[in-house]
Amino acid sequence: AQKVTQAQTEISVVEKEDVTLDCVYETRDTTYYLFWYKQPPSGELVFLIRRNSFDEQNEISGRYSWNFQKSTSSFNFTITASQVVDSAVYFCALSVGASGTYKYIFGTGTRLKVLA
Amino acid sequence: KAGVTQTPRYLIKTRGQQVTLSCSPISGHRSVSWYQQTPGQGLQFLFEYFSETQRNKGNFPGRFSGRQFSNSRSEMNVSTLELGDSALYLCASSKQGGLAYEQYFGPGTRLTVT
Repeated sequence: AQKVTQAQTEISVVEKEDVTLDCVYETRDTTYYLFWYKQPPSGELVFLIRRNSFDEQNEISGRYSWNFQKSTSSFNFTITASQVVDSAVYFCALSVGASGTYKYIFGTGTRLKVLA
Repeated sequence: KAGVTQTPRYLIKTRGQQVTLSCSPISGHRSVSWYQQTPGQGLQFLFEYFSETQRNKGNFPGRFSGRQFSNSRSEMNVSTLELGDSALYLCASSKQGGLAYEQYFGPGTRLTVT
């Protein structure tokens, strides 16, 4: 069975601190895709990153970086020098399967509060 | 480029009624997916449509159905509403189908069943 675990329910940090959001996934498939989405208070999910199972390169985009490690089935997300605007719920998601049988599984989300 | 739009934004229905939600994808996107978000169950995948055909389906009862039109707009229908159907229903569009690509979400329709 496929599963995504975001063990951190809520994290509070002070502005300018670095913070890492953990994501652990489970699947027996060799081909799969991992995603991170941000859901600000407005409610609309915003796509942040997509990674396929064959690409373990870490990625950096401004203050955001992602660490994909197949050996530990983890796809962690780090925000450097956090800002108040980063306050949101962050979801990790796993897409696995083939056409007609795809499963799209979200983690339960991590609520990040950045305090000024 | 306009984003994904969903109508209506808020809806109150009575148990036993049916409801239809609408979603207009980003121009050029042919895949539309629907999700249910509740505090208890989180975000759950309902189904995906691509070129007017349902391509993938989550584990929801047959009361939940959908369709997609030739212009890629999609509707989701829930019949015989139950209190547990109260949720935020999110629609997402993607250029390619199959759920392997990034999705762009709309603001959602908040359905309350009384």
